[in-house]
Amino acid sequence: AQSVAQPEDQVNVAEGNPLTVKCTYSVSGNPYLFWYVQYPNRGLQFLLKYITGDNLVKGSYGFEAEFNKSQTSFHLKKPSALVSDSALYFCAVRDEGYSTLTFGKGTMLLVSP
Amino acid sequence: SAVISQKPSRDICQRGTSLTIQCQVDSQVTMMFWYRQQPGQSLTLIATANQGSEATYESGFVIDKFPISRPNLTFSTLTVSNMSPEDSSIYLCSVLDEGGETQYFGPGTRLLVL
Repeated sequence: AQSVAQPEDQVNVAEGNPLTVKCTYSVSGNPYLFWYVQYPNRGLQFLLKYITGDNLVKGSYGFEAEFNKSQTSFHLKKPSALVSDSALYFCAVRDEGYSTLTFGKGTMLLVSP
Repeated sequence: SAVISQKPSRDICQRGTSLTIQCQVDSQVTMMFWYRQQPGQSLTLIATANQGSEATYESGFVIDKFPISRPNLTFSTLTVSNMSPEDSSIYLCSVLDEGGETQYFGPGTRLLVL
């Protein structure tokens, strides 16, 4: 079985400050890890993924995430938050060899001016 | 990445009726998925739809309630049958890219059942 945990319902950060949105996962094999963002009244947009290789992956809009195998984590980060980053962020995992994604419950990111 | 469109974008329906949601992709894809996102909730997979075979439904979802068609490699429909207010959700179509790694999502269909 595969599962994802996003421990924070909401993250608040001031514009210009660094942000972190946490994600931990559980799979039986090798994980394929993803971050998606959902803006109000919009579908999900793909941000970045980790499949293999460098543990630090870079994605759209200046976001990056670090894969940590020992801690089974894949936290989303950005050095300097923008008000326009305010949205709902989903972490997702897929076990290698399986086709279905499992999503976390989502974390609302609120960036204040 | 694939460009995915859905119709309708939103609808308000009466209980007991049915609604068919269309999903169109700008390229041929093998695997398509239908998800439900209930208000304030995460995404739940309804079924996987591969062209030329019956859809595979997840636990808690049945074909009589959510019939799916997949007539070709660029198109799929999901029907929400005999609707009740509990069916009020966002329904999202998703495809797996050619490399088999990344899923992309359509804009969603926002359904309100009265």
